[in-house]
Amino acid sequence: GAGVSQSPRYKVAKRGQDVALRCDPISGHVSLFWYQQALGQGPEFLTYFQNEAQLDKSGLPSDRFFAERPEGSVSTLKIQRTQQEDSAVYLCASSPAIGVRTDTQYFGPGTRLTVL
Amino acid sequence: RKEVEQDPGPFNVPEGATVAFNCTYSNSASQSFFWYRQDCRKEPKLLMSVYSSGNEDGRFTAQLNRASQYISLLIRDSKLSDSATYLCVVNIRTGNQFYFGTGTSLTVIP
Repeated sequence: GAGVSQSPRYKVAKRGQDVALRCDPISGHVSLFWYQQALGQGPEFLTYFQNEAQLDKSGLPSDRFFAERPEGSVSTLKIQRTQQEDSAVYLCASSPAIGVRTDTQYFGPGTRLTVL
Repeated sequence: RKEVEQDPGPFNVPEGATVAFNCTYSNSASQSFFWYRQDCRKEPKLLMSVYSSGNEDGRFTAQLNRASQYISLLIRDSKLSDSATYLCVVNIRTGNQFYFGTGTSLTVIP
């Protein structure tokens, strides 16, 4: 069956440009996560949705980062006025479960963002 | 201080060897524990969950020591296809944040 998909797979932006990254989770998955993975590092939590509700956005590094999931399925991560330090792979993951005992997360292939 | 600490390696081992990775976590409220595998330029994929009693899946054994706050992964009879980065992941009881370690790089050599 279809897994988590993300688009675009690669994005090159000029410093100061706004970007929007899309995530299509597995159909029916309640939980959706966004992570940022810098080169040589593990994924860093950004934000979490349960259906359309953004329950945790404590990992968003600044107010330039904004995420939404208006209908509880597709999610968009928007970065305004991109900076070079935003260059990373942005991973989306979904899970069928909710609550603190959420188990398996299924990751998308990521969007590799390069800010020049 | 990072929530999850891992030795980044790299670990270079011959085929057939046994290799072990450890990971420590700082928050005693951590509730769920996992090992993920990430191949170069690919997304992480769940390798196995880690249960309090320890668990085994074929050549892979995971153990949890709550008192010392560490998790281990043992790989027996290493295969070339085991070459990857292994990520330790911890979920904190009070929320849905999942904390990843930096990953341990393993290369199995013919």
